[in-house]
Amino acid sequence: KNEVEQSPQNLTAQEGEFITINCSYSVGISALHWLQQHPGGGIVSLFMLSSGKKKHGRLIATINIQEKHSSLHITASHPRDSAVYICAAPLWGAQKLVFGQGTRLTINP
Amino acid sequence: SQTIHQWPATLVQPVGSPLSLECTVEGTSNPNLYWYRQAAGRGLQLLFYSVGIGQISSEVPQNLSASRPQDRQFILSSKKLLLSDSGFYLCAWDRAAEAFFGQGTRLTVV
Repeated sequence: KNEVEQSPQNLTAQEGEFITINCSYSVGISALHWLQQHPGGGIVSLFMLSSGKKKHGRLIATINIQEKHSSLHITASHPRDSAVYICAAPLWGAQKLVFGQGTRLTINP
Repeated sequence: SQTIHQWPATLVQPVGSPLSLECTVEGTSNPNLYWYRQAAGRGLQLLFYSVGIGQISSEVPQNLSASRPQDRQFILSSKKLLLSDSGFYLCAWDRAAEAFFGQGTRLTVV
């Protein structure tokens, strides 16, 4: 079992819908990162979180340290949001940066 | 400021040719460095990590090798590429809570 698990693996929605992608982790982490990868593209860092909530435009990331869970929300989704979203975390006390499997998001017009 | 440079962004190489992908880090010292690979439609798989100069750990047996000749330089190499080496390669570093990710290199072996 991966230390970092994402859900869902695939998500298809209509333009304008509110999107939630989840990331759960089973070990101690230093922080949690959300990344975006467009089809055929590189990796873009969206957020780094160690507590609470961060917002950037239509993207909101939250983390609950006690529940070992983070969510990435997209408000008023748009087809250009279609991408793979990945959560990643450096593990406490270990030389290991672990990635979730990614969530493939497709927003249809 | 802290950053990471990975190049090239895309690469097409013939089977049997050598490979060298370079990753350099700025704005930190003694980071942990990582190379990951993502096959088509799959998640990121850890290939190598390094906790210091000359210290390389391999997670999976493969046709690739890694080296860290300087504190902030991490190189992924192959002497002879295979078709199965095609994929997306990502360099990353972390130190404490911070992590930075390269843009990635999309390698196509033909």
